[in-house]
Amino acid sequence: GNSVTQMEGPVTLSEEAFLTINCTYTATGYPSLFWYVQYPGEGLQLLLKATKADDKGSNKGFEATYRKETTSFHLEKGSVQVSDSAVYFCALSFNYGQNFVFGPGTRLSVLP
Amino acid sequence: DAGITQSPRYKITETGRQVTLMCHQTWSHSYMFWYRQDLGHGLRLIYYSAAADITDKGEVPDGYVVSRSKTENFPLTLESATRSQTSVYFCASSALTEGEAFFGQGTRLTVV
Repeated sequence: GNSVTQMEGPVTLSEEAFLTINCTYTATGYPSLFWYVQYPGEGLQLLLKATKADDKGSNKGFEATYRKETTSFHLEKGSVQVSDSAVYFCALSFNYGQNFVFGPGTRLSVLP
Repeated sequence: DAGITQSPRYKITETGRQVTLMCHQTWSHSYMFWYRQDLGHGLRLIYYSAAADITDKGEVPDGYVVSRSKTENFPLTLESATRSQTSVYFCASSALTEGEAFFGQGTRLTVV
């Protein structure tokens, strides 16, 4: 079946540090890939997405590149802020908008 | 206001009682989803719906019932609540043209 694996954390960084959260997927075919972010007490919000191989999604300083050869979609940010503290979910979907599969989430804490 | 809203935000119920969680979206999105979020399990799909009067089971449907008589509403009913159904429940919707899922703020349900 389809699945998403990501580092579960928690990840603790100092402000302005470089962030990488790894995400790999298993799927038959070529899904769309997403990163969602969940702030405390809230629902998930889309952070970025990529729909085909070699696409790069970017938003708010975060980036991720769809790598078909390694079935990966790692999330990166060059300089994190305290306000980036949240839980990050990697996800995939087929048929563009249907049947999302989420990873377990990675909790990020950024210290001042 | 446009968006996706869940009610109630918090609910405490007793074992064996029936409880319904409401979800309403204003975008006329075709797809709607119910997820539960538990520590150690991430997000798990309970049920989803592709359109009014079309619903299908997800990963963990046992003990839950859904209906979708109108495109904008997708209520989730726990027919006889059990303590294992204590969780945070998220409703989401999606349009095929956009590909991403939009989440409600969640309902925290406690079964005592």
